[in-house]
Amino acid sequence: QKEVEQDPGPLSVPEGAIVSLNCTYSNSAFQYFMWYRQYSRKGPELLMYTYSSGNKEDGRFTAQVDKSSKYISLFIRDSQPSDSATYLCAMETGGANSKLTFGKGITLSVRP
Amino acid sequence: DTGVSQDPRHKITKRGQNVTFRCDPISEHNRLYWYRQTLGQGPEFLTYFQNEAQLEKSRLLSDRFSAERPKGSFSTLEIQRTEQGDSAMYLCASRPDWHSTDTQYFGPGTRLTVL
Repeated sequence: QKEVEQDPGPLSVPEGAIVSLNCTYSNSAFQYFMWYRQYSRKGPELLMYTYSSGNKEDGRFTAQVDKSSKYISLFIRDSQPSDSATYLCAMETGGANSKLTFGKGITLSVRP
Repeated sequence: DTGVSQDPRHKITKRGQNVTFRCDPISEHNRLYWYRQTLGQGPEFLTYFQNEAQLEKSRLLSDRFSAERPKGSFSTLEIQRTEQGDSAMYLCASRPDWHSTDTQYFGPGTRLTVL
């Protein structure tokens, strides 16, 4: 079993839909949780960065972390065609030797 | 542009050749990371530097791979005797320091194709 599992895709939604993207993890030492967006043949771009459990909102994006269930989510409201990309969840333990562990990524397509 | 930069963006090589990639991190970022991403997968950690010191290497980093950060600024990743299985996107990321609450920022990547 991988440390970070991400819902398989691809996912196709109509413009304006609410999108829910999810990841589960097994390492209870993870403390920092991120969502990156990656357009085709580009590097990952940081979307959301949260510490521990709770919600964080930034515009149309909301990140949720539930450490008790080892589950994180990203919600996209009023989805736009420009949101079409691959979304990667990532997490790390923090501390001196910390590095990111990524999910597999899910490809989202928002239809006009 | 003050982001992470990588060069070249694309590299096509024949099996058995050596290749070298360069990464320039965000200015004054002490931590620099290399990741590898294959098609349909998330990035996987390869190695990281604190200033010029290489502190950890993943088991993915075989003896054919070597990374350096000679003056604690830019970094190079060299692959010797390339194999078709080395074909991937090689990503560089940086952060201010290990104790920073800021996370890692990625460059655009170098896409390697080994024929």
